[in-house]
Amino acid sequence: DAGVIQSPRHEVTEMGQEVTLRCKPISGHNSLFWYRQTMMRGLELLIYFNNNVPIDDSGMPEDRFSAKMPNASFSTLKIQPSEPRDSAVYFCASSPSTSGRASTDTQYFGPGTRLTVL
Amino acid sequence: KQEVTQIPAALSVPEGENLVLNCSFTDSAIYNLQWFRQDPGKGLTSLLLIQSSQREQTSGRLNASLDKSSGRSTLYIAASQPGDSATYLCAAKLMDSNYQLIWGAGTKLIIKP
Repeated sequence: DAGVIQSPRHEVTEMGQEVTLRCKPISGHNSLFWYRQTMMRGLELLIYFNNNVPIDDSGMPEDRFSAKMPNASFSTLKIQPSEPRDSAVYFCASSPSTSGRASTDTQYFGPGTRLTVL
Repeated sequence: KQEVTQIPAALSVPEGENLVLNCSFTDSAIYNLQWFRQDPGKGLTSLLLIQSSQREQTSGRLNASLDKSSGRSTLYIAASQPGDSATYLCAAKLMDSNYQLIWGAGTKLIIKP
């Protein structure tokens, strides 16, 4: 398996532009997570999907952020309009467990998208 | 509120040394604790997962321990190598959540040849 795939790997955009980040989870995984990592705040969970349904979006910073998972093999995280404070590395991770409590439960991370908003 | 702390933030040691990375958590009601490795420009890779009922897990030169009563976990790396240089993060899964991980800020480890 190729692992979790994210695109693009790097994105540089100007303030006010729309940004779309993409993720393909590992085939057969039921859970999908979007994280944001910054030096100041560390790793933060933005949103969690289970079986393509958003379960917890309490970490989404504000209405400028939205995420979708139209099917089991694809998810997007969109920022519109983008701001300089959105600059960070965004990770997508997937997990095989539906309940999240399986004994071998762990999360498999993609390589991340480094977003720079000028 | 569960908090996970990793001290020190950075560590530099000569190759060949045995070393210990520390992770502490404030609430002992955890389901499991995981250690991850992050290489520059890459995602996180799970190294070891310790269930709350376990005291340690081993994988090769890595050994992770868990002491819930004291709110501590340690990652022991034997005979360190330059390839071990990376940032190591620990994450605690809360007992009352089936998905939420509380993350430490990580320890950046540099192994000098």
